[in-house]
Amino acid sequence: AQSVTQLDSQVPVFEEAPVELRCNYSSSVSVYLFWYVQYPNQGLQLLLKYLSGSTLVKGINGFEAEFNKSQTSFHLRKPSVHISDTAEYFCAVIEAGTYKYIFGTGTRLKVLA
Amino acid sequence: KAGVTQTPRYLIKTRGQQVTLSCSPISGHRSVSWYQQTPGQGLQFLFEYFSETQRNKGNFPGRFSGRQFSNSRSEMNVSTLELGDSALYLCASSLAGTGAYNEQFFGPGTRLTVL
Repeated sequence: AQSVTQLDSQVPVFEEAPVELRCNYSSSVSVYLFWYVQYPNQGLQLLLKYLSGSTLVKGINGFEAEFNKSQTSFHLRKPSVHISDTAEYFCAVIEAGTYKYIFGTGTRLKVLA
Repeated sequence: KAGVTQTPRYLIKTRGQQVTLSCSPISGHRSVSWYQQTPGQGLQFLFEYFSETQRNKGNFPGRFSGRQFSNSRSEMNVSTLELGDSALYLCASSLAGTGAYNEQFFGPGTRLTVL
């Protein structure tokens, strides 16, 4: 992938509200897509991934993402967020045939009481 | 099963010095990758080691180097430190490599501050 774009650097949302974190990528070949979460003072943890098959992918902690090839997007959604979802979220891409992850710059999700 | 461990967790150095960071992968994992994380830049891939050989490399200057030992533990070295090297350095291990079908498990990182 040439690049991964996470347009929103910060997203504040109230508890129990829905949230969507946006991710777009640019690539001329097939890609594999990932979302990772990073809690304070911790490493990254895999939330979900799209490798093939159904374009709607469900992950841990109630998150899901939809791969849209025509729009080159892989937005992350959760219907109802909790305070504990406050963290930084990273979208990542691997181009088919390569081994390098290309990460976005991250979106800091802040859930407000 | 123990996770990926990184030592030290915090490090303060001055410009011109060198530093060595250590990463112990999950038992049985043969691949170790290193990333630099800075605010606004996200994660930048440094390099990947597999079975003691560097298999992939990112776009970093030669001041950044690494190695992997026979027990899969890896070290990363940065020589002649610059202020811009201040970052969180993350290590990730996987069973067989960084391909899409091999999940990476990340350590908590080493936060390096260069004064």
